[in-house]
Amino acid sequence: NAGVMQNPRHLVRRRGQEARLRCSPMKGHSHVYWYRQLPEEGLKFMVYLQKENIIDESGMPKERFSAEFPKEGPSILRIQQVVRGDSAAYFCASSPGLAGGGTDTQYFGPGTRLTVL
Amino acid sequence: AQSVTQLDSQVPVFEEAPVELRCNYSSSVSVYLFWYVQYPNQGLQLLLKYLSGSTLVKGINGFEAEFNKSQTSFHLRKPSVHISDTAEYFCAVRKGETSGSRLTFGEGTQLTVNP
Repeated sequence: NAGVMQNPRHLVRRRGQEARLRCSPMKGHSHVYWYRQLPEEGLKFMVYLQKENIIDESGMPKERFSAEFPKEGPSILRIQQVVRGDSAAYFCASSPGLAGGGTDTQYFGPGTRLTVL
Repeated sequence: AQSVTQLDSQVPVFEEAPVELRCNYSSSVSVYLFWYVQYPNQGLQLLLKYLSGSTLVKGINGFEAEFNKSQTSFHLRKPSVHISDTAEYFCAVRKGETSGSRLTFGEGTQLTVNP
């Protein structure tokens, strides 16, 4: 059972370009979360999605950032017109929800490290 | 809303010494508590979690943590550390007994084990 997959692992963009980060959840997991880790800081929640629905985006910047989790395929975090302050590690986590009496523990992917030049 | 405070940003210890990484939380609702470890340039790996029941929780790699509700603490301990335990450790909390609840993380504690 493969873990949470993220790609690319490293992404370099110039200011003004777009960044697309992909996350494939663990098999059987229908919940996806995105977190951002700025240099020397802890992780901060950005957005929580289920298939085809954004459930909580209260941690997402209002402009330039968007996320989706389509019926088929990975979840995508999209950053338009990147700026140097977007340089960070972006982590995706997935969880199964409470189906089957579980506790909805989140498991993390390896992260995408975005560098904006 | 929940918040987490990790009281030490850096903890240097010698190999085979015991270690305690401190974590305090605040919340107005029942919570689940977690410790994650992050090795350099890697993702977060779950060490252990407290959901309910026994307040002493055992995790992977010989780590354990004790939930103390009156002191709102969830300190992480290991009786004898190895060089390979050098990493960043994050305490996290989320609302209990619900699905889809975000994790709130502390700022992390860098554990450095010296020979």
